[in-house]
Amino acid sequence: EAQVTQNPRYLITVTGKKLTVTCSQNMNHEYMSWYRQDPGLGLRQIYYSMNVEVTDKGDVPEGYKVSRKEKRNFPLILESPSPNQTSLYFCASSSQTGELFFGEGSRLTVL
Amino acid sequence: QKEVEQDPGPLSVPEGAIVSLNCTYSNSAFQYFMWYRQYSRKGPELLMYTYSSGNKEDGRFTAQVDKSSKYISLFIRDSQPSDSATYLCAISGDYKLSFGAGTTVTVRA
Repeated sequence: EAQVTQNPRYLITVTGKKLTVTCSQNMNHEYMSWYRQDPGLGLRQIYYSMNVEVTDKGDVPEGYKVSRKEKRNFPLILESPSPNQTSLYFCASSSQTGELFFGEGSRLTVL
Repeated sequence: QKEVEQDPGPLSVPEGAIVSLNCTYSNSAFQYFMWYRQYSRKGPELLMYTYSSGNKEDGRFTAQVDKSSKYISLFIRDSQPSDSATYLCAISGDYKLSFGAGTTVTVRA
């Protein structure tokens, strides 16, 4: 089954404790992206990657890092999380048609 | 000004009603127009995709694009309780994809 898998789905952490949200896709897509979704603000792009070892900032990259060492994986790293990073995070990958396939989301709470 | 503005809702309609959802955009370089549906606790999934002005139908769903007015719409005919979800418009062009904030629709049985 074609899918984008994110882990963890739910996480509560404290300010400053580094965390990583993993993302993996099995569709051999070159393009992958991370979004955060907040009430009233919709989906905002954090980082995206056009291919292995190629990443670029989206609209809200501050406080986040990404890496793309393999085609299928695109982890999101929060080096020093802060409460304003409490959000619902989505990883997505895209076919050449441009259709985005989303994971089921990771709900992060930073205390 | 946001690149994509979506009517915020929420909308609550009786089963069988027509649902009308709207977005406006500011960048005339946008070429591709999409509607995503997001059920509670799930990721968005693509519902409709079009790149030209005019109407596109898929079953009970019709996507309408007016490039001259920078206005897109989604109509749901004969709405069902299973259509209850948040609907997000998404517009892309120049390697950039922007989403509206979403409209939550509830269809009452």
